[in-house]
Amino acid sequence: GAVVSQHPSWVICKSGTSVKIECRSLDFQATTMFWYRQFPKQSLMLMATSNEGSKATYEQGVEKDKFLINHASLTLSTLTVTSAHPEDSSFYICSARGQAGNYNEQFFGPGTRLTVL
Amino acid sequence: QKEVEQNSGPLSVPEGAIASLNCTYSDRGSQSFFWYRQYSGKSPELIMFIYSNGDKEDGRFTAQLNKASQYVSLLIRDSQPSDSATYLCAVNDGGFKTIFGAGTRLFVKA
Repeated sequence: GAVVSQHPSWVICKSGTSVKIECRSLDFQATTMFWYRQFPKQSLMLMATSNEGSKATYEQGVEKDKFLINHASLTLSTLTVTSAHPEDSSFYICSARGQAGNYNEQFFGPGTRLTVL
Repeated sequence: QKEVEQNSGPLSVPEGAIASLNCTYSDRGSQSFFWYRQYSGKSPELIMFIYSNGDKEDGRFTAQLNKASQYVSLLIRDSQPSDSATYLCAVNDGGFKTIFGAGTRLFVKA
């Protein structure tokens, strides 16, 4: 149990386009979802936290108008990178927490590798 | 500012040895402690969690928690080359956010 999926697993896009990444909890209800970004050989960087049905809370330095997060249901959250630029190229990982596990574990999706040309 | 500190490594151990990974945290109110393993190019995978002082064993892995000293460790017995990865320590205070350490890179030499 406690499976989190992400789609797509990788995407290549042109500069200026928008990219949507989906994160789904497959076998549990995720009351809270987290979006992370990770550059090569660097640590996870939390971008935002979202609770179902409410606005996301963004970490300092993360532009909420550029990284749009929607957590419309207990099993789905989406991250849209708007007007993507090459510096947005990174590994985007979601994680979910909710009615799975016992001690506030976060379960991670497999990640989405974004390359902006 | 709540912090979780880990030695970035790399920690290099020979195959079959015990690998010892350490983590300290700043928030005395922390309640749950997790170890994640992250292979290069992959997302983190939960391998252990612990919430009470003492040791918790799962196969070749043992998590150790000392709340008085605010540290948590992970021991990997009979280390294998396939254990080579970055190990992330994570701490939760019972609230929404879990704080992750930057990770320790482990190399197990065959």
